Amino acid sequence: GAVVSQHPSRVICKSGTSVKIECRSLDFQATTMFWYRQFPKQSLMLMATSNEGSKATYEQGVEKDKFLINHASLTLSTLTVTSAHPEDSSFYICSAPVAGVGYNEQFFGPGTRLTVL
Amino acid sequence: GQNIDQPTEMTATEGAIVQINCTYQTSGFNGLFWYQQHAGEAPTFLSYNVLDGLEEKGRFSSFLSRSKGYSYLLLKELQMKDSASYLCAALDSNYQLIWGAGTKLIIKP
Repeated sequence: GAVVSQHPSRVICKSGTSVKIECRSLDFQATTMFWYRQFPKQSLMLMATSNEGSKATYEQGVEKDKFLINHASLTLSTLTVTSAHPEDSSFYICSAPVAGVGYNEQFFGPGTRLTVL
Repeated sequence: GQNIDQPTEMTATEGAIVQINCTYQTSGFNGLFWYQQHAGEAPTFLSYNVLDGLEEKGRFSSFLSRSKGYSYLLLKELQMKDSASYLCAALDSNYQLIWGAGTKLIIKP
């Protein structure tokens, strides 16, 4: 199956700093990637849809100025958490769709555990 | 609104069979996914149903009833490694995935 990587896998930072998370499709091209956030024991929450060559589409309630998304190439999308605060601590996961027979299967990256002190 | 309901937690015995139910209410429907997620890891794809009926894939089977807005994931011959959260997700009319909160499955020897 298709492989999606994320870097870093774990990051601890001080409050007020910015953190960049990379999502790469390793063996396929992804014009669209999805960024999710998952708090402990909760469901995946879609934050935004990253579109190659155009602006990202943010879900309601997600601050686009705080969560900057750049989809610079067909294999790379980045999420930058600006001026991170402890409440931003979460598990951030990206995914990219691959066309299957009649549906698009989502391939997920391994996730990034962000802890803001 | 759109909603996915599944039990929070289930316990089963190694070697047994367990059925995890999921009900959904979405604006339109384009299929239902089941994903497995081990603690601290990303979800991995298990199955996709868009037509009514049972899809069997090894020890795992998934069932869908569109008229009832209902699906289940059936796991047979349970193994300790099956301990994980199982996420139900429905694809709405805009092809957006609506996720359930997941069912934590605990396997006991």
